[in-house]
Amino acid sequence: DVVMTQTPLSLPVTPGEPASISCRSSQSLLDSGDGKTYLDWYLQKPGQSPQLLIYTLSNRASGVPDRFSGSGSGTDFTLKISRVEADDVGVYYCMQRMEFPFTFGPGTKVDIK
Amino acid sequence: QVQLVESGGGVVQPGRSLRLSCAASGFTFSNTGMHWVRQAPGKGLEWLAIISYDGGYKYYADSVKGRFTLSRDNSKNTLYLEMNNPRAEDTAIYFCATQLRVAGIDYWGQGTLVTVSS
Repeated sequence: DVVMTQTPLSLPVTPGEPASISCRSSQSLLDSGDGKTYLDWYLQKPGQSPQLLIYTLSNRASGVPDRFSGSGSGTDFTLKISRVEADDVGVYYCMQRMEFPFTFGPGTKVDIK
Repeated sequence: QVQLVESGGGVVQPGRSLRLSCAASGFTFSNTGMHWVRQAPGKGLEWLAIISYDGGYKYYADSVKGRFTLSRDNSKNTLYLEMNNPRAEDTAIYFCATQLRVAGIDYWGQGTLVTVSS
């Protein structure tokens, strides 16, 4: 199975400041056939179900503010929040869809300093 | 609007059985593959399984393979997860979810809590 790791696991943030979460996969998530990288980002706010933020490396899901961006290649990926807002708190997960079983990273808990 | 509503959770004894349901509405269920994802108390997300739109293809994570069974009834717009021989480590919130509008799992239910305990 593809193993996903994330750093940091805990991220205190200051509103208005940028934030960044890293994700790494144990094998490449680039499909050489179609050129797509099958890496998604999810946010689970306290007491809620997960919600899709970024799909296929860098595409924002519907309704996701452009403060959120996804980037990376191969096995190394980054989720960036350009200016953190109080509503951004929760646990962020990366997930690979390159092969079954899909696998999630351990999660990064973001809270306000 | 798209809705996924799980039910059937509760307390189940180890080794017994429990069937979870996920009622879907607001989209063409019979055209859509479906996932189950779970989250143990205070833990992260674990992807469990996928079933194709017609039930002809299923894939299970090793942690549940041979014990859990996916099925669907497209006439009832309902997805099922039969949990056989559950273990304490199966205690979790179980979410059904789907990839509908975009790539990625973009719709999730609210989850149903399963507690495996004697």
